[in-house]
Amino acid sequence: GAGVSQTPSNKVTEKGKYVELRCDPISGHTALYWYRQSLGQGPEFLIYFQGTGAADDSGLPNDRFFAVRPEGSVSTLKIQRTERGDSAVYLCASSLTRLAGGRGTDTQYFGPGTRLTVL
Amino acid sequence: AQSVTQLDSHVSVSEGTPVLLRCNYSSSYSPSLFWYVQHPNKGLQLLLKYTSAATLVKGINGFEAEFKKSETSFHLTKPSAHMSDAAEYFCVVSDGHMRFGAGTRLTVKP
Repeated sequence: GAGVSQTPSNKVTEKGKYVELRCDPISGHTALYWYRQSLGQGPEFLIYFQGTGAADDSGLPNDRFFAVRPEGSVSTLKIQRTERGDSAVYLCASSLTRLAGGRGTDTQYFGPGTRLTVL
Repeated sequence: AQSVTQLDSHVSVSEGTPVLLRCNYSSSYSPSLFWYVQHPNKGLQLLLKYTSAATLVKGINGFEAEFKKSETSFHLTKPSAHMSDAAEYFCVVSDGHMRFGAGTRLTVKP
């Protein structure tokens, strides 16, 4: 079946501009995650949705970053006033659900990512 | 907070020889542990996961990992490397948040 898809695959923008990155999770997956992967590093957690609500946004670096998932499926990560330091690969993942109590997770399935370059 | 340390940033092996990618974790309780592989321009793919069942976990493509609580390790192994195994490998510990190691780049020489 279809996996997690992300668009665009590449985005080049200028410092100060606004960008939107889209994620289409696997159908039926209620949990959706955003990560950021800087060059030479592992992915870092940004935000997690359970259904339509952001259950945990503790990884968002500052208030320029925002994400929505209005219908509990597709999610959009929004970055305002982009800075050169925002350049990275932004990864989306989805899972069937998330275990209660925060211990462990269902397997997360990752999309191919969006490579964001801020000039 | 939980964390993982991947002890080697780069491992190089010859085709047909064993692979060992080392991972140590830090956790205040019994964690869930994962290994993911990332091929260039492709999404992260789950190799295997440990969730407090058998300590020896078998994954896809001949990989396996052993959870050793006394050593706080979760090393990834494969008996015989294939050229297609060349990729970036990430060890991950989860407390609800997936916390990734910095990655180990595996190179396979012909």
